[in-house]
Amino acid sequence: GDSVTQMEGPVTLSEEAFLTINCTYTATGYPSLFWYVQYPGEGLQLLLKATKADDKGSNKGFEATYRKETTSFHLEKGSVQVSDSAVYFCALSRTTSGTYKYIFGTGTRLKVLA
Amino acid sequence: NAGVTQTPKFQVLKTGQSMTLQCAQDMNHEYMSWYRQDPGMGLRLIHYSVGAGITDQGEVPNGYNVSRSTTEDFPLRLLSAAPSQTSVYFCASAPTVGTSGNTIYFGEGSWLTVV
Repeated sequence: GDSVTQMEGPVTLSEEAFLTINCTYTATGYPSLFWYVQYPGEGLQLLLKATKADDKGSNKGFEATYRKETTSFHLEKGSVQVSDSAVYFCALSRTTSGTYKYIFGTGTRLKVLA
Repeated sequence: NAGVTQTPKFQVLKTGQSMTLQCAQDMNHEYMSWYRQDPGMGLRLIHYSVGAGITDQGEVPNGYNVSRSTTEDFPLRLLSAAPSQTSVYFCASAPTVGTSGNTIYFGEGSWLTVV
């Protein structure tokens, strides 16, 4: 079945460091791919998304490119800030039999130190 | 900007009690769903609905009931609470069934403890 695998956390970085959080997926057809962010005590918020191969999603300095050949959607940011500390979830959605479902990874906790 | 509203935010139950977590959205979304979030396990889908009068089971439906009498509301019922149901519960909704690129919107979560 469909699945999303993302790197184990926690990831601890110093402020202004480069961030990569790996995400790979398994799905038939052509899913859409998402990154969501969850701040402490809150629900998940959309960070960025890509709906077809080679699309790049970007928001707030974060980027991810939909790579169909490697079934990946890695999240990157060139210079992290303390305020980026949160849990990041990779997800896919796929249409099947007239409806669709969202599949989430287990989340990667990021801690950025000043 | 109400979006997806869940109540209550915190609840403590005794084993065997029943309760309902409420979820309402004001975005006229057809798709609504309930997830539970447990440490190390990410989000697991409990039940979902693609429109009023239609519900289906997700990955972990046992011990939970749902109904969808209106487009706006999607309550989750715990029939007889067990300690294994201690978790954070999220309601989520999305527009227009049939397009995989739609963003799903989450409520702020309900923290449930069963003692």
